[in-house]
Amino acid sequence: GAGVSQSPSNKVTEKGKDVELRCDPISGHTALYWYRQRLGQGLEFLIYFQGNSAPDKSGLPSDRFSAERTGESVSTLTIQRTQQEDSAVYLCASSLGGFDTGELFFGEGSRLTVL
Amino acid sequence: DAKTTQPPSMDCAEGRAANLPCNHSTISGNEYVYWYRQIHSQGPQYIIHGLKNNETNEMASLIITEDRKSSTLILPHATLRDTAVYYCIVRRTTSGTYKYIFGTGTRLKVLA
Repeated sequence: GAGVSQSPSNKVTEKGKDVELRCDPISGHTALYWYRQRLGQGLEFLIYFQGNSAPDKSGLPSDRFSAERTGESVSTLTIQRTQQEDSAVYLCASSLGGFDTGELFFGEGSRLTVL
Repeated sequence: DAKTTQPPSMDCAEGRAANLPCNHSTISGNEYVYWYRQIHSQGPQYIIHGLKNNETNEMASLIITEDRKSSTLILPHATLRDTAVYYCIVRRTTSGTYKYIFGTGTRLKVLA
């Protein structure tokens, strides 16, 4: 696609339910990032993929959060047993990766509201 | 991980230069400085990046001090559409992995 695509754009769920957020990066981009942005705050790093492997998972806030990537393409961020503090916009970004120093391309985000 | 510090907010008159500072005193030799901006609720947008030399593109200029402990993003002629949150980011490179660490951002308001 022309840009990074994220779905759903909006998700409202009840506390305790599981949610899956999807990211389709730009074709050919080997690096993929997930960030969380709470209302009025900056971007919080969650996880980084190079290809299908995640060399840096240091930002995942708890074991309720997990992410995977397949085919060096689509990535899914899963939040189990959602809590109200998980409410945020989840942003995905991709880049060419490797030693490229170029830009990150961001999607428009998935807004998660946990009631 | 190198952290960045930015003022929380700034105002700038339309048509004037906007100078946005960033402190990254713990930056390492192989870490790049990037600037992004986020308009309203959109995804962040790339502006410019550099390692140690000053850089200029069609959007902005980036001035990095000789000791690399701070930098300034310059928007030469700010317009109302430049109102946004501007993030100064250090990209950490470790064994071929790359991590972009966002700071708190500066909310720039361009005034008519």
